[in-house]
Amino acid sequence: DQQVKQNSPSLSVQEGRISILNCDYTNSMFDYFLWYKKYPAEGPTFLISISSIKDKNEDGRFTVFLNKSAKHLSLHIVPSQPGDSAVYFCAASASAGGTSYGKLTFGQGTILTVHP
Amino acid sequence: DSGVTQTPKHLITATGQRVTLRCSPRSGDLSVYWYQQSLDQGLQFLIQYYNGEERAKGNILERFSAQQFPDLHSELNLSSLELGDSALYFCASSANPRDFGNTIYFGEGSWLTVV
Repeated sequence: DQQVKQNSPSLSVQEGRISILNCDYTNSMFDYFLWYKKYPAEGPTFLISISSIKDKNEDGRFTVFLNKSAKHLSLHIVPSQPGDSAVYFCAASASAGGTSYGKLTFGQGTILTVHP
Repeated sequence: DSGVTQTPKHLITATGQRVTLRCSPRSGDLSVYWYQQSLDQGLQFLIQYYNGEERAKGNILERFSAQQFPDLHSELNLSSLELGDSALYFCASSANPRDFGNTIYFGEGSWLTVV
């Protein structure tokens, strides 16, 4: 049962344009969402997060949008740069019942390629 | 460099064998997490320890076990290995068990290939 899904295995974007990565979830207990970025031969690194009490969080070129009713979140990167080329993972956690926030449920990942 | 150290980086072993993966968390971090990334699955949470005690459990097989030692390093033991256990195993650490994901730091992973 894939509770967090990233339906696009890959995305190719021109430098300077917007990259939009999408993520859907099914578990209504999830209340904290994160995006991680992963380069080859490295571990995932935290990029940006959003709590379920918000619908938008922005950090520089990165913005995450959360649509709770649709159980959907997206990551916007504007403008995209070649150095953004990596695998992007969406992740979710649930805080209810004292569950560890570190117990993250990840999506399959989307390979973003930004062409110069 | 996240500060989380995993050894070995690569390991090739035969089916039926047993291996131990080691993780040293970031200095000061008390919580350690293990994740598995296989080709057909995303990152899957296996287990979490906090200050030596098991804190949360995910889809960890009975053939797998983990522990966290008094010096806070952790080991993931994989036994009776099968071809399907071939994967990248990540360790992560954080200061306390209720840290949000933005303060969880991942190591570079240990590549396990079972032949």
